Amino acid sequence: DADVTQTPRNRITKTGKRIMLECSQTKGHDRMYWYRQDPGLGLRLIYYSFDVKDINKGEISDGYSVSRQAQAKFSLSLESAIPNQTALYFCATSNLAAPSTGELFFGEGSRLTVL
Amino acid sequence: AQRVTQPEKLLSVFKGAPVELKCNYSYSGSPELFWYVQYSRQRLQLLLRHISRESIKGFTADLNKGETSFHLKKPFAQEEDSAMYYCALSGSARQLTFGSGTQLTVLP
Repeated sequence: DADVTQTPRNRITKTGKRIMLECSQTKGHDRMYWYRQDPGLGLRLIYYSFDVKDINKGEISDGYSVSRQAQAKFSLSLESAIPNQTALYFCATSNLAAPSTGELFFGEGSRLTVL
Repeated sequence: AQRVTQPEKLLSVFKGAPVELKCNYSYSGSPELFWYVQYSRQRLQLLLRHISRESIKGFTADLNKGETSFHLKKPFAQEEDSAMYYCALSGSARQLTFGSGTQLTVLP
């Protein structure tokens, strides 16, 4: 099931470098999300987008930016990466027309290491 | 603000034993509650949601508004239930807030 695809899957970079994580989906969903997963902290919302012109900050948006290039694409950027941004990043989508707001479909994750 | 608490980071039970994964939430309105599961080498996926009142893979969860809990239960655990489980809440902001997760290990 490759409905939600994240690239790269793994990335090692150095402090201060600019990094972009990309997400594309073939599910036709309107909503897209970026979460980061840290051991003991679960998943925390970074940014979310309800459509191409609607971008919203999540719980931990500082140090991150996003771009919704099209309905199917949602990119997460770290302008100047720092070590505490080392984490597993997940993209997710959901269907605006779904009866519930809580059914998200996740990508496989992008593991980022900042040295 | 909405918050989800899963007090157990790790939980081990023997095969055939009952299992309960605890979830408590904080939210002033009427929440939607969910359980997500991540099996080894698989994507995070929805297990069940409280509005459906369904049993999935033998798991059930009842929303207790008085205790603000949404514990996940299964009467007889199986080895294939070993996974990371996340409780999640959707409130008026239409964002999904996750708990910190519980790693369940079912021992043979």
